Amino acid sequence: EAGVAQSPRYKIIEKRQSVAFWCNPISGHATLYWYQQILGQGPKLLIQFQNNGVVDDSQLPKDRFSAERLKGVDSTLKIQPAKLEDSAVYLCASSPWGQGNEKLFFGSGTQLSVL
Amino acid sequence: GQNIDQPTEMTATEGAIVQINCTYQTSGFNGLFWYQQHAGEAPTFLSYNVLDGLEEKGRFSSFLSRSKGYSYLLLKELQMKDSASYLCAAAGFQKLVFGTGTRLLVSP
Repeated sequence: EAGVAQSPRYKIIEKRQSVAFWCNPISGHATLYWYQQILGQGPKLLIQFQNNGVVDDSQLPKDRFSAERLKGVDSTLKIQPAKLEDSAVYLCASSPWGQGNEKLFFGSGTQLSVL
Repeated sequence: GQNIDQPTEMTATEGAIVQINCTYQTSGFNGLFWYQQHAGEAPTFLSYNVLDGLEEKGRFSSFLSRSKGYSYLLLKELQMKDSASYLCAAAGFQKLVFGTGTRLLVSP
């Protein structure tokens, strides 16, 4: 079974530039999550999709971050414009149903460095 | 509100036993996850406790006390490859909240 795919693996940009990350979840998983993990911290949920609808985006900085999952499968997360404090690993995860007691399957992440 | 608390760092020697504690406060609590994360890699699932008590899975065991809002992960017969961060995560309704993680360093 293929895992969660993410790209790119690494990205270096200058502040005020824009960047986009892509995620393809495990086939058949209804729920897709984007997490931000700053070095030395635990993952912080940015946005959770159930199929192509948003379940939770309460911690997404909507003035600069956006995400979509148009066909309920793969997803993109965009940052525009980027700030220095956005330097982090962006993890995508998926789960079958989106119930709180499901284990998450994580992708390898995209490591973003904003200079 | 939701709050997860675990130690920042722990050290232990190869072959020893280590216990990583986690306390949590979360609304609509459904259960407690432990994930392992090696440096530069994604978190991987270790265990899930929904009922009080100890669940054993090989060298790793996880304990939960719902009344005390407390869990621990017990690692036995430590190996060098166990050096990693261990993330405690509390599951609520449709939501999973992670702690900051405990970085475990296993030395020879």
